[in-house]
Amino acid sequence: GAGVSQSPSNKVTEKGKDVELRCDPISGHTALYWYRQSLGQGLEFLIYFQGNSAPDKSGLPSDRFSAERTGGSVSTLTIQRTQQEDSAVYLCASSGRTGGTGELFFGEGSRLTVL
Amino acid sequence: AQSVTQLGSHVSVSEGALVLLRCNYSSSVPPYLFWYVQYPNQGLQLLLKYTSAATLVKGINDFEAEFKKSETSFHLTKPSAHMSDAAEYFCAVSEGGGYQKVTFGTGTKLQVIP
Repeated sequence: GAGVSQSPSNKVTEKGKDVELRCDPISGHTALYWYRQSLGQGLEFLIYFQGNSAPDKSGLPSDRFSAERTGGSVSTLTIQRTQQEDSAVYLCASSGRTGGTGELFFGEGSRLTVL
Repeated sequence: AQSVTQLGSHVSVSEGALVLLRCNYSSSVPPYLFWYVQYPNQGLQLLLKYTSAATLVKGINDFEAEFKKSETSFHLTKPSAHMSDAAEYFCAVSEGGGYQKVTFGTGTKLQVIP
C-alpha cells in the first residue's frame, strides 16, 4: 500500500478483555516495529521484526503482550487481559533498509482505552 | 545499550526566533541519529538523519542538526521559527550494523508564540 496502515484507529475495551491491533506495512519493507506512546513517556519500543530473523521482543512489558508477523507482511499485536495502564497509542512502523540507516515510516496509530 | 535524552519536555519560542531542541545520546558503537516530528493528530515523519557522513545534517523545513561526538549531542536547530513548526519532536538513535532497533527519546513539544 501507499503507507503503513493500522487498525482499528480507536479501541475502547473493558479491563480484562483481550485486544488485537493490526499493522499492514509498506509493501516490500522487511523491518516492522511496534512502539507504545503514552503521555510524557515518548515512544516505548515493544518489538522488532526483521525479515525471517527471530523478533526482538525485549521491549514487551509483560507476558500479556505478544506479536506475530505472518508471511513477512501483516503484523498483529495482541494484549491479553488488558489493564488500565495499557491505555496508550500503539504505533507501528516499517522500514525497507538494513544497517540502521533507513527511515522508519509510521502509521497513524491505534489508540487503546481500557476502562 | 543505546539511549537518548531530550532536555526539556516543552520549549516555547517567539515566531521568527531561533529554535534549539537538545538531544544527547548514549551508544556503545558509532551511532546513527534521527529527528522525527509529529504534528498534532498526525503520525511521525522523519525530519533528518545522521549516518556517519557529514556532521552537519540538513533536513526539511530549514531544520538542521549537528553531530558532536565529543559532546555526544545531536541538537536540532532552525534559524527562524514559523507557527507551522508547532509540533512534538523526537530524537532517536540506532546502532546500525544490520540491527535496526531504533530507540526514541521522550519528545519535546515546541510551542511557537505569535
